[in-house]
Amino acid sequence: QQQVKQSPQSLIVQKGGISIINCAYENTAFDYFPWYQQFPGKGPALLIAIRPDVSEKKEGRFTISFNKSAKQFSLHIMDSQPGDSATYFCAHTGNQFYFGTGTSLTVIP
Amino acid sequence: NAGVTQTPKFQVLKTGQSMTLQCAQDMNHNSMYWYRQDPGMGLRLIYYSASEGTTDKGEVPNGYNVSRLNKREFSLRLESAAPSQTSVYFCASSIDGQPGSQPQHFGDGTRLSIL
Repeated sequence: QQQVKQSPQSLIVQKGGISIINCAYENTAFDYFPWYQQFPGKGPALLIAIRPDVSEKKEGRFTISFNKSAKQFSLHIMDSQPGDSATYFCAHTGNQFYFGTGTSLTVIP
Repeated sequence: NAGVTQTPKFQVLKTGQSMTLQCAQDMNHNSMYWYRQDPGMGLRLIYYSASEGTTDKGEVPNGYNVSRLNKREFSLRLESAAPSQTSVYFCASSIDGQPGSQPQHFGDGTRLSIL
């Protein structure tokens, strides 16, 4: 059962550009929306997270935007760098914890 | 380095063989999790342990068993491996004991191939 839908599946961005990854959820009984970053051969690492009572959260070049009415949340990576090349997962808490299917980001120098 | 340690890192099994994946964390976390990661599927929860002495099924528990040996260690056992269990397995931990809580720290995974 897919509780959260993530898009796009892959993304190629030029260095300095903005990377945008979107997630849509169905069940409203969620209370926390984290994003994870995963490099090849490593486990996911918690990157940034937001609560639904906040519309936006920014940490450095990473920003989460949350649209409760549309049941969507997104990750924006400003000034994307080659070191940001990784797979990104959205997720949410609730009765259980669900991950999105992941977005493979490649930042071209 | 402190964190979540998984062993082994790689393993090849034949169909029908059994094996146990080991996981240990040294952060004094209460909750531990086992996930599998497959291409296009993201990470799916196999089992979790909200606290020492408790275990519960996740999204895809069939074919697996777990043991929360103590607060530090949480093992995953495949009793009779099947090719469909070829995957990368991740152990994770979090400080609190709620079933739906987010995993905070992941190990680097066990890459398991079943022939």
